[in-house]
Amino acid sequence: QKEVEQDPGPLSVPEGAIVSLNCTYSNSAFQYFMWYRQYSRKGPELLMYTYSSGNKEDGRFTAQVDKSSKYISLFIRDSQPSDSATYLCAMTLQTGNQFYFGTGTSLTVIP
Amino acid sequence: EPEVTQTPSHQVTQMGQEVILRCVPISNHLYFYWYRQILGQKVEFLVSFYNNEISEKSEIFDDQFSVERPDGSNFTLKIRSTKLEDSAMYFCASSLDARSTEAFFGQGTRLTVV
Repeated sequence: QKEVEQDPGPLSVPEGAIVSLNCTYSNSAFQYFMWYRQYSRKGPELLMYTYSSGNKEDGRFTAQVDKSSKYISLFIRDSQPSDSATYLCAMTLQTGNQFYFGTGTSLTVIP
Repeated sequence: EPEVTQTPSHQVTQMGQEVILRCVPISNHLYFYWYRQILGQKVEFLVSFYNNEISEKSEIFDDQFSVERPDGSNFTLKIRSTKLEDSAMYFCASSLDARSTEAFFGQGTRLTVV
């Protein structure tokens, strides 16, 4: 099933770098877009969610959605070693519906 | 901080046996989900549950699977006759209600079928 595509990485950056994580999707009906962080052998932890197109900022994290291109991004500014994890994008058609996840991008921030 | 709690953290079972995975969702949440993640693969939706009935289910959620909310706090996933391919990490999640997209996941139960 290729509803949501995400580059699995791995991605390795130095501490303090700006990280860009991306997902593309095929179903134009998706309306809600989420980013989860998952540490090894743990459950996904919700970072941010956005509705439709636009930007949303929360501290060092910025989520962008471009529905015309079917492309979403998560930017992490001033990356820290504690940001090292797998980042999952997820999206859904409407509230209460199932989430479709990407494969996850493995990120390592090197001190 | 409220969290979704899952037990056990790891379950090993023989093929053909029944297993019950348990979850305690966040206390004021009304919408519940089960997802699974086979090693190295995507997180996949199994089922959602709201108002004491299944709201949505995937193709994976066949007759071998069932869910139940036996009391006011627990939410369970039962696999009647486990197969080797059921080996995966099973995640329970909950959200406030059907209008919320903020789903909070538990730590997962690693199911190993031998």
